[in-house]
Amino acid sequence: LAKTTQPISMDSYEGQEVNITCSHNNIATNDYITWYQQFPSQGPRFIIQGYKTKVTNEVASLFIPADRKSSTLSLPRVSLSDTAVYYCLVGGDNTDKLIFGTGTRLQVFP
Amino acid sequence: NAGVMQNPRHLVRRRGQEARLRCSPMKGHSHVYWYRQLPEEGLKFMVYLQKENIIDESGMPKERFSAEFPKEGPSILRIQQVVRGDSAAYFCASSPRTGGRNEQFFGPGTRLTVL
Repeated sequence: LAKTTQPISMDSYEGQEVNITCSHNNIATNDYITWYQQFPSQGPRFIIQGYKTKVTNEVASLFIPADRKSSTLSLPRVSLSDTAVYYCLVGGDNTDKLIFGTGTRLQVFP
Repeated sequence: NAGVMQNPRHLVRRRGQEARLRCSPMKGHSHVYWYRQLPEEGLKFMVYLQKENIIDESGMPKERFSAEFPKEGPSILRIQQVVRGDSAAYFCASSPRTGGRNEQFFGPGTRLTVL
């Protein structure tokens, strides 16, 4: 399972776009990149998943360069309720267990 | 469709007692995962079960910890003779099928405090 590295924390203000980058230099050919969000005292929640290029849903966008050694989660126009810990995970179709790092603690200020 | 349910939400035990944590997966999900989270840390995988089978228990301590997912009823994570180091949040997740592409749905967790 590829190891991921992401910033420990980030600060932002309401209305700004937030980009959180994750490094995964040892990503394997069949690995997918998945991001989860966790609020205090709650379980993680799936945000987005991708394999290459760009994926967008109603919550976020995920940018993956051609070499796939990193990925960027983009949150448009954050609000106070986006304050949470964001985890980048890498795994393939044969991966049943999720490997969480320490995540990025995003703090959104008014 | 109700989400993953865990109970109790909070559990206090004294050292040496047993803790039983329950997890009811989402309807239609036959795969259950248990994770443990210490304060300020990410979740750590413990065990993966399908109905009546343990598929992967590589993250579970060899002693005092056990898990089951019977044909009927919730999945149970059992911790015998608890110690203070067992204090943590325990999360259960479920999914309808295997594979890293498959999304896991997490419950609200059980916060275990060992006095």
